[in-house]
Amino acid sequence: RKEVEQDPGPFNVPEGATVAFNCTYSNSASQSFFWYRQDCRKEPKLLMSVYSSGNEDGRFTAQLNRASQYISLLIRDSKLSDSATYLCVVNTNNNDMRFGAGTRLTVKP
Amino acid sequence: DAGVTQSPTHLIKTRGQQVTLRCSPISGHKSVSWYQQVLGQGPQFIFQYYEKEERGRGNFPDRFSARQFPNYSSELNVNALLLGDSALYLCASSLGPHSSKTQYFGPGTRLLVL
Repeated sequence: RKEVEQDPGPFNVPEGATVAFNCTYSNSASQSFFWYRQDCRKEPKLLMSVYSSGNEDGRFTAQLNRASQYISLLIRDSKLSDSATYLCVVNTNNNDMRFGAGTRLTVKP
Repeated sequence: DAGVTQSPTHLIKTRGQQVTLRCSPISGHKSVSWYQQVLGQGPQFIFQYYEKEERGRGNFPDRFSARQFPNYSSELNVNALLLGDSALYLCASSLGPHSSKTQYFGPGTRLLVL
């Protein structure tokens, strides 16, 4: 079993749609959680950290369920510019960031 | 402010050769991490350095080594290159070594091994 698993996608949605990505992790000692986005042939960029209480940043909402070792990302009112690969990232105490394989999103007009 | 910079941007090598990749972190950042990203996969952690000391190592063979200099820049060396080493090599910098610190990635070096 991979340490961080994500929906492989691809997700193809129309503009304005709501889309949700899921991620599970295997190491119960994981401490920090993030969502990064990566555009084609570019470097990953931090989208948002994920906190236990859940957090929102504009159209983006992240949730963490430690008991189920599950992280989610919800994007509301999708824009064309949201098209990218979304990477789930989990960190243990030994500073080893583990990335999922990513979920590809395409938002269409 | 300049972001993380990496050089070279692209590199072509043949099997058995050695390669050195370079990274300059964001000014004020003392931690540098290296990742390997093969096509269709997420980045895989190779090393983390903080204050010139190795703070973390991923599951990579001893052919991979790295170091950090007094100015916090870093080099990643790969010896005896294999075809499977072809990948995007990403460097990320952060303020400190703690796992909660946000990492900022450079544009990467694309390595092709023939």
